[in-house]
Amino acid sequence: GAGVSQSPRYKVAKRGQDVALRCDPISGHVSLFWYQQALGQGPEFLTYFQNEAQLDKSGLPSDRFFAERPEGSVSTLKIQRTQQEDSAVYLCASSLGTMGPQHFGDGTRLSIL
Amino acid sequence: AQKITQTQPGMFVQEKEAVTLDCTYDTSDPSYGLFWYKQPSSGEMIFLIYQGSYDQQNATEGRYSLNFQKARKSANLVISASQLGDSAMYFCAMREGTGGGNKLTFGTGTQLKVEL
Repeated sequence: GAGVSQSPRYKVAKRGQDVALRCDPISGHVSLFWYQQALGQGPEFLTYFQNEAQLDKSGLPSDRFFAERPEGSVSTLKIQRTQQEDSAVYLCASSLGTMGPQHFGDGTRLSIL
Repeated sequence: AQKITQTQPGMFVQEKEAVTLDCTYDTSDPSYGLFWYKQPSSGEMIFLIYQGSYDQQNATEGRYSLNFQKARKSANLVISASQLGDSAMYFCAMREGTGGGNKLTFGTGTQLKVEL
């Protein structure tokens, strides 16, 4: 499809395991964002890429969270040594330019047991 | 202070009626953008409408319109002729033009239920 694609759709992991979440943005979109959405809350910003450059990572909650976009297209959000409080929906969004509306994927629902 | 405030946790509206979802915002940046997104129970975030701080006219997009009152710092979403498929969570969000990067700051959302 032409939209933002995220995988997996659901991920269950045991506490302490590492997880990797993938985002495939809309083709040609320069900007890519990751957000975390806790149950019943609005999304909260994690990090932002312009092409392959990570310009803002101020929202990453700890050094266990790491994101990359090495070729300026697909991005991966990695969480090391997962904890129960990491359970949330992780949303990826992309936009054509730096100021246009952001288009979101369906999210990855992460559950840490 | 909250940057985006949505004071209505839940709203009900009769099918075919209009409904207004409230949003107030707080920023000292003269350049900013305001967005509304719809999130059905399936989870995807659907972009609805955008209003820039320098736009002279209120934004409209089909059945959606944004009642932008700059002096009051409000950006209410008006949905006309409600349909059953409009039942969803609605989020107001803001992007601040300078100093805030390009990230969106979201409110806590309003759950809209459209009834027959």
